[in-house]
Amino acid sequence: SQQGEEDPQALSIQEGENATMNCSYKTSINNLQWYRQNSGRGLVHLILIRSNEREKHSGRLRVTLDTSKKSSSLLITASRAADTASYFCATAGGYQLTFGKGTKLSVIP
Amino acid sequence: DVKVTQSSRYLVKRTGEKVFLECVQDMDHENMFWYRQDPGLGLRLIYFSYDVKMKEKGDIPEGYSVSREKKERFSLILESASTNQTSMYLCASSEAGNSYEQYFGPGTRLTVT
Repeated sequence: SQQGEEDPQALSIQEGENATMNCSYKTSINNLQWYRQNSGRGLVHLILIRSNEREKHSGRLRVTLDTSKKSSSLLITASRAADTASYFCATAGGYQLTFGKGTKLSVIP
Repeated sequence: DVKVTQSSRYLVKRTGEKVFLECVQDMDHENMFWYRQDPGLGLRLIYFSYDVKMKEKGDIPEGYSVSREKKERFSLILESASTNQTSMYLCASSEAGNSYEQYFGPGTRLTVT
């Protein structure tokens, strides 16, 4: 299995601060994806970074990928209360994605 | 917008019952997936399908079967529900090929008593 592992498991910050979550994985990948899940709901795709990319931006999100260290990070800048959710990384090496257990982010207004 | 719908948000069934969970997507996606999500274990893939009538086992297929008779619909079947199948079930779809982003339904929280 090429499961991603997120770190930290939980993160609590004040509104306006930046939030950084990390993901490590074990084997080679085609791409790495980040998803958000609001409590009790389905997952929403945030961003995909291919194995030959090092950094990608989308709005307030910045993702980095270091394939030599088999790790990725997700940075959310200027966080808002609405960013409160669980965030999952998922590694892709074939049809299926393999998800980590997630980071639970709480943004305090 | 891609829409993936699941037949129920909450479902309560008795041990031994046959349970059908239905998933429908409206984006003509070839790939469809069923996951279960449990606290501390994350998302685990049960089955996926890359075409009509095609299915592949995921990481935890035991106790489950699936059916894909039409492209837009993917059903998960619990032949004889057990209490350890109490979980959140998530359906997803993606374009043909591999490693694409997946679009998820809202989930079905199944309780087996």
